[in-house]
Amino acid sequence: GQNIDQPTEMTATEGAIVQINCTYQTSGFNGLFWYQQHAGEAPTFLSYNVLDGLEEKGRFSSFLSRSKGYSYLLLKELQMKDSASYLCAVRDTGDKIIFGKGTRLHILP
Amino acid sequence: DVKVTQSSRYLVKRTGEKVFLECVQDMDHENMFWYRQDPGLGLRLIYFSYDVKMKEKGDIPEGYSVSREKKERFSLILESASTNQTSMYLCASSQGRTSFHSPLHFGNGTRLTVT
Repeated sequence: GQNIDQPTEMTATEGAIVQINCTYQTSGFNGLFWYQQHAGEAPTFLSYNVLDGLEEKGRFSSFLSRSKGYSYLLLKELQMKDSASYLCAVRDTGDKIIFGKGTRLHILP
Repeated sequence: DVKVTQSSRYLVKRTGEKVFLECVQDMDHENMFWYRQDPGLGLRLIYFSYDVKMKEKGDIPEGYSVSREKKERFSLILESASTNQTSMYLCASSQGRTSFHSPLHFGNGTRLTVT
């Protein structure tokens, strides 16, 4: 079967660091995406990992371990505008892209 | 910038009606997708298409069909709308299977209410 798991909700403080985990079990693997979605808006692309290791992009970093079926998104120097849902998605065989249920992140001042 | 346009932002239909949701992209992308998004269930794939006239079922295709007659346009059809199809529908596009790194670009969504 196919399954992508991530926590439902997380809370962090402005200026802090937060790590959002994602575990996956899929029939194939052609890469893992992270998206950000603000309430009432469409998801927007944050990062893509296909090789093991850490990809850094400004305040956001994403990590992948293929052998463990595990990824995390790391957000540093949190800002209020980072309050959003974060979606983990896996490109399965071919062109199929499957999403987890998303993690709603609340930032406290 | 890639633009994915969904024809309606809000739609209200009656049970049993045939409903068409239209999506157009302007970046010559091979792949197009239809998802629905519901609270607590996340984004679920209904259908996707990797070429004109080609389609593949996603995880929840029951009650839906699709049409892709032109590369830029992908339509989702609810043959006989039911109340459990009330949802936010999101269309997306991406480059083809030679570009696995290519992310999805989403439209702004259509909030469909079936009464």
